[in-house]
Amino acid sequence: AIRMTQSPSSLSASTGDRVTITCRASQGISSYLAWYQQKPGKAPKLLIYAASTLQSGVPSRFSGSGSGTDFTLTISCLQSEDFATYYCQQYYSYPHTFGQGTKLEIK
Amino acid sequence: EVQLVESGGGLVQPGGSLRLSCAASGFTFSSYWMSWVRQAPGKGLEWVANIKQDGSEKYYVDSVKGRFTISRDNAKNSLYLQMNSLRAEDTAVYYCARVEFLDYMDVWGKGTTVTVSS
Repeated sequence: AIRMTQSPSSLSASTGDRVTITCRASQGISSYLAWYQQKPGKAPKLLIYAASTLQSGVPSRFSGSGSGTDFTLTISCLQSEDFATYYCQQYYSYPHTFGQGTKLEIK
Repeated sequence: EVQLVESGGGLVQPGGSLRLSCAASGFTFSSYWMSWVRQAPGKGLEWVANIKQDGSEKYYVDSVKGRFTISRDNAKNSLYLQMNSLRAEDTAVYYCARVEFLDYMDVWGKGTTVTVSS
């Protein structure tokens, strides 16, 4: 199985900050990567697919990049509603593994 | 409105069985792969299974192979997860999700909770 490793596991930031979360795959996955946001007690929400394509309705302050094994999710100007846990997921091959998550907290 | 609603969760003893259901509405269910994803208490997301539009292809995470079966009824716009030989480590919130053509999940239900305990 492909292992997905996110860093950092947790991150403290302030409203207005620019933050970057990294996701590394244990083998190449081309651009078959999605990013999800999850708030406590809620279902995950798709933010980005194909590594860099913004899902409809997602604010443009979210962006994704990368291909192969290294990927990033960037939030350009943090808003209060962005404090949540973020997961990457590869869908290059089965099983479709997730990263362990990055919890973004208010500083 | 596109919607997925899970049901069927509950408390079950180790070794027991449970069948989860997911009712889909607001889209052409038969045109999409579907997925189950779970989340143990305080843990991250774990992909569990996928099923093709006509049910002819199914994929599972190793930890549930031989114990869980994903299925669907396109006439009823419903997805199912039959869970047998349940273990404590199967305790989780189970989400159903719609799979877009590239295999990412674009619509999620709110989840149903399964607790395996004596």
